[in-house]
Amino acid sequence: EADIYQTPRYLVIGTGKKITLECSQTMGHDKMYWYQQDPGMELHLIHYSYGVNSTEKGDLSSESTVSRIRTEHFPLTLESARPSHTSQYLCASSESSSVGYGYTFGSGTRLTVV
Amino acid sequence: AQTVTQSQPEMSVQEAETVTLSCTYDTSENNYYLFWYKQPPSRQMILVIRQEAYKQQNATENRFSVNFQKAAKSFSLKISDSQLGDTAMYFCAFMKYPQDKIIFGKGTRLHILP
Repeated sequence: EADIYQTPRYLVIGTGKKITLECSQTMGHDKMYWYQQDPGMELHLIHYSYGVNSTEKGDLSSESTVSRIRTEHFPLTLESARPSHTSQYLCASSESSSVGYGYTFGSGTRLTVV
Repeated sequence: AQTVTQSQPEMSVQEAETVTLSCTYDTSENNYYLFWYKQPPSRQMILVIRQEAYKQQNATENRFSVNFQKAAKSFSLKISDSQLGDTAMYFCAFMKYPQDKIIFGKGTRLHILP
């Protein structure tokens, strides 16, 4: 079944650690996105990609970085985690040929930095 | 810039009742898409319903329907015969055509009470 997968679902990590949140999709979508969801549940776009080797920063400034080496894979990395990074991170994807049909979302990674 | 406003942070209704979630948006564009997304507790966000701005007919998906008032820039979601499984955060969202970055409202937390 075509879908979008995020791992891990939950992560508790100490300050200063490097972490990578994984996101993979099996639908062959060319566009992928990372959203940060704050405790009030508001969604903020932090990164997006329109294809391999293409990445852009979103509307909310983030200390995280992303890469898109393969179409299906869009990992997010924090070089040095801080408590302010505690949040839920949602990955999503869409297809250029299906503009207007919205995004498919993953189940999210809930990150806690202690 | 486009904005999406959901004026009801939280709502509660009894099972089997009908509930309407409000959404207004601001745009100078004429061609766009509107969406309602559902995010159940600790689960994947899914698309509930979508509306193309150039279509006057209101979209319907089973128990879910919208009231799209383009001139008033209003896009409300009606859930008929509400069920316990409808308990979730509901996000109203806007996408300008042909771009594909979605702008989300802050969400409405809906509780369906037994």
